[in-house]
Amino acid sequence: KQEVTQIPAALSVPEGENLVLNCSFTDSAIYNLQWFRQDPGKGLTSLLLIQSSQREQTSGRLNASLDKSSGRSTLYIAASQPGDSATYLCAVIIQGAQKLVFGQGTRLTINP
Amino acid sequence: EAGVVQSPRYKIIEKKQPVAFWCNPISGHNTLYWYRQNLGQGPELLIRYENEEAVDDSQLPKDRFSAERLKGVDSTLKIQPAELGDSAVYLCASSLVASGRVGEQFFGPGTRLTVL
Repeated sequence: KQEVTQIPAALSVPEGENLVLNCSFTDSAIYNLQWFRQDPGKGLTSLLLIQSSQREQTSGRLNASLDKSSGRSTLYIAASQPGDSATYLCAVIIQGAQKLVFGQGTRLTINP
Repeated sequence: EAGVVQSPRYKIIEKKQPVAFWCNPISGHNTLYWYRQNLGQGPELLIRYENEEAVDDSQLPKDRFSAERLKGVDSTLKIQPAELGDSAVYLCASSLVASGRVGEQFFGPGTRLTVL
């Protein structure tokens, strides 16, 4: 059974810092990996999708990497801003299935 | 382009009452998903539809939950009767799956259910 773990569960940093969120998964036979953002009381917004054949994806200040062999992904946020405060979730799609298996999320707070 | 639409956004009911949630996916998306998200947890899949066929309902508590996707577009998720433990956010998502390629999933805003 695929399990996804995110560390840390919560993170608080001052504005302007670069930071890294971690995601690990137990089964390397994945189709792709997605990073989502969730604001309080809201749905999920897709940030980045990495296909299993890719190593990384970038969007603005965000960069996500994928290492299938070690079962790890990282989300790098550069020059953090208070508006980046949210819960960040990573999820994988297992090969042969089409459901997303989610981690529990990292609750990020950027302090002005 | 309109995103995934869900209604209602919030619902408060007493236990043992029925409740229904509605979802309209992104136009052209053939695959629709219902997820449940408990407080402080990531979402978990309840059911997945490809067009009007439920292809994965292994995690749906079938004694009290039911779902339908008539005409392969809109979908309704029903709980009857609701229990206290059903309090959660119910998320709908859609994607385009074609030629074996799995598309990106897009999520609606969710329905927050509180059972008293």
